[in-house]
Amino acid sequence: QQQVKQSPQSLIVQKGGISIINCAYENTAFDYFPWYQQFPGKGPALLIAIRPDVSEKKEGRFTISFNKSAKQFSLHIMDSQPGDSATYFCAAPYSGAGSYQLTFGKGTKLSVIP
Amino acid sequence: GAGVSQSPSNKVTEKGKDVELRCDPISGHTALYWYRQSLGQGLEFLIYFQGNSAPDKSGLPSDRFSAERTGGSVSTLTIQRTQQEDSAVYLCASSRNPRSSGNTIYFGEGSWLTVV
Repeated sequence: QQQVKQSPQSLIVQKGGISIINCAYENTAFDYFPWYQQFPGKGPALLIAIRPDVSEKKEGRFTISFNKSAKQFSLHIMDSQPGDSATYFCAAPYSGAGSYQLTFGKGTKLSVIP
Repeated sequence: GAGVSQSPSNKVTEKGKDVELRCDPISGHTALYWYRQSLGQGLEFLIYFQGNSAPDKSGLPSDRFSAERTGGSVSTLTIQRTQQEDSAVYLCASSRNPRSSGNTIYFGEGSWLTVV
């Protein structure tokens, strides 16, 4: 099955700084790589996603950078705010034997301090 | 509905009891998933439904776990003879068309299970 390696496990950033979370994946037949944001006590919510026919996607302060040849993608949060404090999960699709699912990284707990 | 709905939101049960967790997916979504999230851990895949069929049950941790889906809609995850290690958040998710690129998976708020 798909393996997704996410780092760092936790991250502390000053308000206004840049938060960077990295993920690496194995082979995949599907071209779609989402990031999910999860606040305590809530379910994960889709934050931003990228298809690897582009190398970068930006939505507001959130940017995904994608390196298909290296099988790596990263999330950059510009001008990080205390409200961004949450756990972030990258994911990659797995398809095989009639299944389709997302395999998730282990998550990065981001704390943005004022 | 507007989102994925799960019930109960919280459940405390005694070790050895059976529990049922319910999921009502977004209307029109043919795919339904169950994931488990232990305290401070990532999301562990349990089972995938396409319609009422479950082509992938590979994530179910033991034969105490089972799930069904009826009418292509509501799903129930059943845990028999619960153990303390079953304590976790059980997340249900749904998506419209898993075979299309860019398919988005939407999660519910989860059912928090505590086995005492």
